[in-house]
Amino acid sequence: QKEVEQDPGPLSVPEGAIVSLNCTYSNSAFQYFMWYRQYSRKGPELLMYTYSSGNKEDGRFTAQVDKSSKYISLFIRDSQPSDSATYLCAMTLKAAGNKLTFGGGTRVLVKP
Amino acid sequence: GAVVSQHPSRVICKSGTSVKIECRSLDFQATTMFWYRQFPKQSLMLMATSNEGSKATYEQGVEKDKFLINHASLTLSTLTVTSAHPEDSSFYICSASRQGANEQYFGPGTRLTVT
Repeated sequence: QKEVEQDPGPLSVPEGAIVSLNCTYSNSAFQYFMWYRQYSRKGPELLMYTYSSGNKEDGRFTAQVDKSSKYISLFIRDSQPSDSATYLCAMTLKAAGNKLTFGGGTRVLVKP
Repeated sequence: GAVVSQHPSRVICKSGTSVKIECRSLDFQATTMFWYRQFPKQSLMLMATSNEGSKATYEQGVEKDKFLINHASLTLSTLTVTSAHPEDSSFYICSASRQGANEQYFGPGTRLTVT
C-alpha cells in the first residue's frame, strides 16, 4: 500500500463545474499538506499549503484537511479550461527534513 | 515571490558525455534544494536532498557518483549527470525551500535526451 493514494483520473468536467480532488494517507504523523498543479512538461506549481484540520480558501481554490480520517481534498470552483492539468497532493513530516511524499497525481480535463 | 529557475530547459547530449543542470532560487535564499526525476505519466521521484555547504543526501538506488550535486550557495544548486546513457533521458526538476519552511517551490524542469 502506498503512503499516499490519489485517483489517477482522468477527471473530466464541463467548464464552470466544481472540480473535487482528494488524497488519502496512511501515516498519521504527516503534519503539512500541499497541493500542486503541473502542466505537461512543466514543473509543479504550489497552489495551497495547510497544516491544520479544516478548510483554507484562496480565490477559486479550497483545501480541506481531515487528520482524523487521514484525508485531504482540493476543490476548484468555476473551473476553466486553463485548469486542465495534473494535480498532485503532497505531504511532509518535520522529522523527514521536509521531504515531500507525493500522491500519484490526478489528471483533470475541463471541457469548454 | 518564491521563483525557482532551471537552466537549460532542454538539452540533448551524446552517450558518454556529462551534462550540468543549474537550479537557482531567484528571490529567496534556499537553505535546502531537492532534485527530482519524472518519467512520462508518473509522479516525481526524489533523487537527492542538498543543504547549502553540505554534501547531498541521496535516496536509495540513486548513484551518487553518477548524479553529482553541488549546493555551493544559498541560491544555486547544480546537478551533473556524468557519463550519460540513453536510460538517463528524463525530465529533471529541482525545488527549493526557505529555512524553517515546509513547502517546496519547483523549477520549470529540464528535459534531458541522451542519444
